[in-house]
Amino acid sequence: QVQLQESGSGVVKPSQTLSLTCAVSGGPITSDYYSWSWIRQPPGKGLEWIGHIYHTGSIYYNPSLKSRVSISVDKSNNQFSLKLSSVTAADTAVYYCARVGLWFGELNWFDPWGQGTLVTVSS
Amino acid sequence: DIQLTQSPSFLSASVGDRVTITCRASQDIYNYLAWYQQKPGKAPKLLIYSASTLQSGVPSRFSGSGSGTEFTLTISSLQPDDFATYYCQQLNSYPPITFGQGTRLEIK
Repeated sequence: QVQLQESGSGVVKPSQTLSLTCAVSGGPITSDYYSWSWIRQPPGKGLEWIGHIYHTGSIYYNPSLKSRVSISVDKSNNQFSLKLSSVTAADTAVYYCARVGLWFGELNWFDPWGQGTLVTVSS
Repeated sequence: DIQLTQSPSFLSASVGDRVTITCRASQDIYNYLAWYQQKPGKAPKLLIYSASTLQSGVPSRFSGSGSGTEFTLTISSLQPDDFATYYCQQLNSYPPITFGQGTRLEIK
């Protein structure tokens, strides 16, 4: 079955750029039945959607982060990536990647999720 | 943005109890609602999508209902493994996709 695994920097200095990659195994990232998403969860808090990308390159971002976020897809390596610039302590969170199920082009669910990776913004 | 409000935010119940969690949307989201279960230190797990469709492999004691602006997640008979935090999510109107604030279900 499909599995997702996040990797990247665990500690980022304030004002720098957070970079994460989500490796997809067990299925192609180029499927027309799915898109690919990033979600984050600050310690002890709820879930915040960051954005999602289709293999065609169409991207949707959370307006609250849009000026600082970039999501891209790497078809040759079956993975997708997140960059978040100008980070502050408020960006400290567990970052998850997830597959998004589509039904007639409409978003239906997020499954599976990666295990998550804690990113701490600290000098 | 569509706001999702879950109630209650905290629920204390016993094994064998029937529990219901409500999720209210600030606008009509038709049936574009999913429910997730999250345990400490773990990623969320999909339980229900399209408001009432049980994800494969999820026990049948979980059920979802509703449409429009009001939705419910029901656990018919609580099992020890069910004590966790539950989130609803709307996928109708985006960006942004939004989540409820969560309902923490604890053992009484």
